[in-house]
Amino acid sequence: ELKVEQNPLFLSMQEEKNYTIYCNYSTTSDRLYWYRQDPGKSLESLFVLLSNGAVKQEGRLMASLDTKARLSTLHITAAVHDLSATYFCAVDIAVKGSSNTGKLIFGQGTTLQVKP
Amino acid sequence: EAGVTQFPSHSVIEKGQTVTLRCDPISGHDNLYWYRRVMGKEIKFLLHFVKESKQDESGMPNNRFLAERTGGTYSTLKVQPAELEDSGVYFCASSRSGINEQFFGPGTRLTVL
Repeated sequence: ELKVEQNPLFLSMQEEKNYTIYCNYSTTSDRLYWYRQDPGKSLESLFVLLSNGAVKQEGRLMASLDTKARLSTLHITAAVHDLSATYFCAVDIAVKGSSNTGKLIFGQGTTLQVKP
Repeated sequence: EAGVTQFPSHSVIEKGQTVTLRCDPISGHDNLYWYRRVMGKEIKFLLHFVKESKQDESGMPNNRFLAERTGGTYSTLKVQPAELEDSGVYFCASSRSGINEQFFGPGTRLTVL
C-alpha cells in the first residue's frame, strides 16, 4: 500500500526564519503536488512537480522532487505570518503515459504556525 | 472561471438518516474526484469519474455510499444510512483530461450524531 508521510506534522516558527517540510512516499511516482489549506477553506494548489529534479519557486516557498529518493521538500524562506496554514503533499499514482489522471494519495498535512 | 463548488457546506444528521452531497466541477473538466478527511486522519481518495463513468471507485468504504454523475456534469454522493464513522469533511476535485492538476472545492463538513 502506498504511504505518504510528512514531517513534521506541526511546525511553529518565528518570522524571518527558514524551515523545510519533508514528504516521503513509498512507491514509484513522478508526479507530486503541494497544496495549502487555510482553516475552513479549500485546498489551494501550490506546486505541481512532474519529474525527477524538478524545482519550483513561488515567493517564499520552494518545492523540489527527488524521485530516486522518493522525497519532496517544501522550503520556506524568511517566513511571514501569512504563510500560516496547513500544507499537504500528495502523490499521483496514475500510470505514466496514461491519458487518465490518477487518484492522489495525501500526506497527513503539516500545520505551520508563524509567530511574529 | 468559477471554481469547484460543493453543497451544502455543513450537514448535521442523525445516525441512520440519509444525506446527499453535491459537487459542481469547473466547467469543461471531465475528471471529477471525491475525497474524504476523517478527523485527525489524512485525506483519502473515494472515487474518480471520467465524464459520467466511474473510472476508479476503489476508495469507497462500503455499499452505504453511492456516487453518481449523470450527464457528466455535477456529481452527488449519497450516504444511506449514515453511521457515526462517516463524519468528516468530503472534498470534491476536478481536472481537465490529460492534465494532472486537480482543483478542489471547499468541502462539505458532515457530522453524524
